[in-house]
Amino acid sequence: SQQGEEDPQALSIQEGENATMNCSYKTSINNLQWYRQNSGRGLVHLILIRSNEREKHSGRLRVTLDTSKKSSSLLITASRAADTASYFCATDANNNDMRFGAGTRLTVKP
Amino acid sequence: NAGVTQTPKFRVLKTGQSMTLLCAQDMNHEYMYWYRQDPGMGLRLIHYSVGEGTTAKGEVPDGYNVSRLKKQNFLLGLESAAPSQTSVYFCASNRRWGNQPQHFGDGTRLSIL
Repeated sequence: SQQGEEDPQALSIQEGENATMNCSYKTSINNLQWYRQNSGRGLVHLILIRSNEREKHSGRLRVTLDTSKKSSSLLITASRAADTASYFCATDANNNDMRFGAGTRLTVKP
Repeated sequence: NAGVTQTPKFRVLKTGQSMTLLCAQDMNHEYMYWYRQDPGMGLRLIHYSVGEGTTAKGEVPDGYNVSRLKKQNFLLGLESAAPSQTSVYFCASNRRWGNQPQHFGDGTRLSIL
């Protein structure tokens, strides 16, 4: 069964706009990770946030984690056409089993 | 540095046939994983290995077997392929369990007719 669930399932924006994707999960976690997948390719790791962290930045990416609400968000600022991809959250619950959500499909129109 | 390499990239099988998917990593990672990705389902863990000679079941292990005879290789076998095993299979590896990102191959697209 999936642990993380992303919202929305699909998002379409114009180049230069910000994109926000959300992830909710059900059980306690050790860390939460975000990955990107371009069409026909494997997943690429973007950012990892530990359970004792609330916010993390990497370039144009900003990730927040609210363990009380069991939710996380990924913000991509000043989006580019090259950001078009599917984005997945994955939860590491310390039980030798990382669970992935079904993903958010982001389309950035030039 | 190739990272994680999966072979083959595409394969079509008939029901009942067997095959082996190969994953090779050149990063000296201890841990390796096999996932399957189906539309609307995200990735689901089939089997994983925490070191040479070890394997363990993931979320959806039925119908698959694995072997890790060498640290750099992780093999996924289908003994008797079924249409329900039509999927995209991804291999991943990382340095140690937890708090480390996984590195993925580009996948094997498998169709069972």
